[in-house]
Amino acid sequence: DTAVSQTPKYLVTQMGNDKSIKCEQNLGHDTMYWYKQDSKKFLKIMFSYNNKELIINETVPNRFSPKSPDKAHLNLHINSLELGDSAVYFCASSQGRLAWDEQFFGPGTRLTVL
Amino acid sequence: DQQVKQNSPSLSVQEGRISILNCDYTNSMFDYFLWYKKYPAEGPTFLISISSIKDKNEDGRFTVFLNKSAKHLSLHIVPSQPGDSAVYFCAASAHGNEKLTFGTGTRLTIIP
Repeated sequence: DTAVSQTPKYLVTQMGNDKSIKCEQNLGHDTMYWYKQDSKKFLKIMFSYNNKELIINETVPNRFSPKSPDKAHLNLHINSLELGDSAVYFCASSQGRLAWDEQFFGPGTRLTVL
Repeated sequence: DQQVKQNSPSLSVQEGRISILNCDYTNSMFDYFLWYKKYPAEGPTFLISISSIKDKNEDGRFTVFLNKSAKHLSLHIVPSQPGDSAVYFCAASAHGNEKLTFGTGTRLTIIP
């Protein structure tokens, strides 16, 4: 019974396309996150939502748009995909909104842009 | 601007010996530190944390040491077991902050 799940696990697409990654958590947590792990292995926060409210919005191109239809779901939509968007994207959730609240991560979505 | 640094990309240790993973930080506002462990094809999982009011925190085989003056922390695993083979990420946050800053990780391989 997966706590934080992401779909799809792998995504291969052409430059210029629009794609979405979905995330769901069944832990009853109030906060959800999107992280990007690039080729240099940096794991960087992109967005965070607490009870459907955006609380972290790092310097991310506005081609990336998170959507939280309810507090159990946080989807990531990416427009006009570029080669540099190739990375592994991790969704996570935590009970509280502060950084020291333990975060539970999904298995990641490997995005490859050709 | 890499505020959390793990300068050793990889480390190999014999089973049963001590593994020591190191992490340095530059932001003096950081006061809470965490270690996450990651297996291939899985997301990171929380391992252990330490607040800046302490210099040591222990949980079973895992101990984290914090040296605030040197802006350095280390994770000790004793004794090392094959199941400890994974990538270990150090992360830090400032008080009351909502954002975690991660290092680039150290791949630990335990040799049987």
